[in-house]
Amino acid sequence: AQKITQTQPGMFVQEKEAVTLDCTYDTSDQSYGLFWYKQPSSGEMIFLIYQGSYDEQNATEGRYSLNFQKARKSANLVISASQLGDSAMYFCAMREGAGGYNKLIFGAGTRLAVHP
Amino acid sequence: ETGVTQTPRHLVMGMTNKKSLKCEQHLGHNAMYWYKQSAKKPLELMFVYNFKEQTENNSVPSRFSPECPNSSHLFLHLHTLQPEDSALYLCASSQDVSGLDGYTFGSGTRLTVV
Repeated sequence: AQKITQTQPGMFVQEKEAVTLDCTYDTSDQSYGLFWYKQPSSGEMIFLIYQGSYDEQNATEGRYSLNFQKARKSANLVISASQLGDSAMYFCAMREGAGGYNKLIFGAGTRLAVHP
Repeated sequence: ETGVTQTPRHLVMGMTNKKSLKCEQHLGHNAMYWYKQSAKKPLELMFVYNFKEQTENNSVPSRFSPECPNSSHLFLHLHTLQPEDSALYLCASSQDVSGLDGYTFGSGTRLTVV
């Protein structure tokens, strides 16, 4: 079974508008972490935002915010005021494990295209 | 400039060739990882090294041979690869295998097997 599910293979958004990229996860761990990465065509995985499972507040980093709904096991990324440079692949990932040894598991990704 | 440097950026090799991918980090991290990113598939964790010791091998075929001579360098030696091994190979590092301080990725090596 997939641990991280990103149901949107592709998304389009108009420049300056907000967009939400969906991510749901599956884990039985109490302690875990959720990440969003951006991957431009160059290939590098760029860290955007992080949410710990015990964090009560939703994480925010500039134009990025994470809509964390623990009971629903969802961790959606919201990008406000989209820019042309936001066009890229976006990956949701989860750090899970036990005993201080964790793995980072990725979803299939969502390709975002920002139109002028 | 990423803290994790991968070379080469692109590699084309024949199925009978032997080549190596290199990953280097000077972030003081002690855990290093190889991931494979194939088209239309999620990133797959291949190997994990912690303080130079291999702690995970996710059923990777023996034609992929990792080497970690020290905590700053990680290699992936390739031999007799198949066309389906064509992918983007990403290296990552973290402070330790807990990953609690996050992960830093390189730009990847785009490998084409012909």
